[in-house]
Amino acid sequence: NAGVTQTPKFQVLKTGQSMTLQCAQDMNHEYMSWYRQDPGMGLRLIHYSVGAGITDQGEVPNGYNVSRSTTEDFPLRLLSAAPSQTSVYFCASSPRGPDQPQHFGDGTRLSIL
Amino acid sequence: GDSVTQMEGPVTLSEEAFLTINCTYTATGYPSLFWYVQYPGEGLQLLLKATKADDKGSNKGFEATYRKETTSFHLEKGSVQVSDSAVYFCALIGGGSNYKLTFGKGTLLTVNP
Repeated sequence: NAGVTQTPKFQVLKTGQSMTLQCAQDMNHEYMSWYRQDPGMGLRLIHYSVGAGITDQGEVPNGYNVSRSTTEDFPLRLLSAAPSQTSVYFCASSPRGPDQPQHFGDGTRLSIL
Repeated sequence: GDSVTQMEGPVTLSEEAFLTINCTYTATGYPSLFWYVQYPGEGLQLLLKATKADDKGSNKGFEATYRKETTSFHLEKGSVQVSDSAVYFCALIGGGSNYKLTFGKGTLLTVNP
């Protein structure tokens, strides 16, 4: 059981470059989300999706795009990378329900030079 | 909006010491409450949860009780081990949501032999 798989694990970009962080889950979970983790800030929600074809903004959406064409995949796109986007990014998924814990991937460590 | 406040770290203890990490929350309705743990270089894992008032969540010797009257969900362990060294996050899903997690900023615990 793979759970939530994130790729790549590490990436270095130059300012202005674009890239896509991949996230896939094999648990048929309805809900998927992207967080960024910065020192002293905890985890902040970037975007989330409650099902295929449905996405919405979280707390810090600027500079990021998402799409959800299938239940399994939820890629995060950086359109024009900025040094402020240097962070560790986590994808998570969960079934429907307020008592359902989220399952997290191992993260992508992204550095923008 | 929903919010979670947990004690500032870092916390440093000797092996077999008693651990308390305080967590209080503000939320609409009746939230579900969670503790997640993040070991170095890994993603977050669910440690325990409680979904209604007076419930006690427990796992791996850790416990936390959902106290509605004090809006608290403090994490405790009677005897910590070196392997418990990690970052601990308190989190909630608010009563008006089926999905969205709100996190505290995390508490780094270091246990020395």
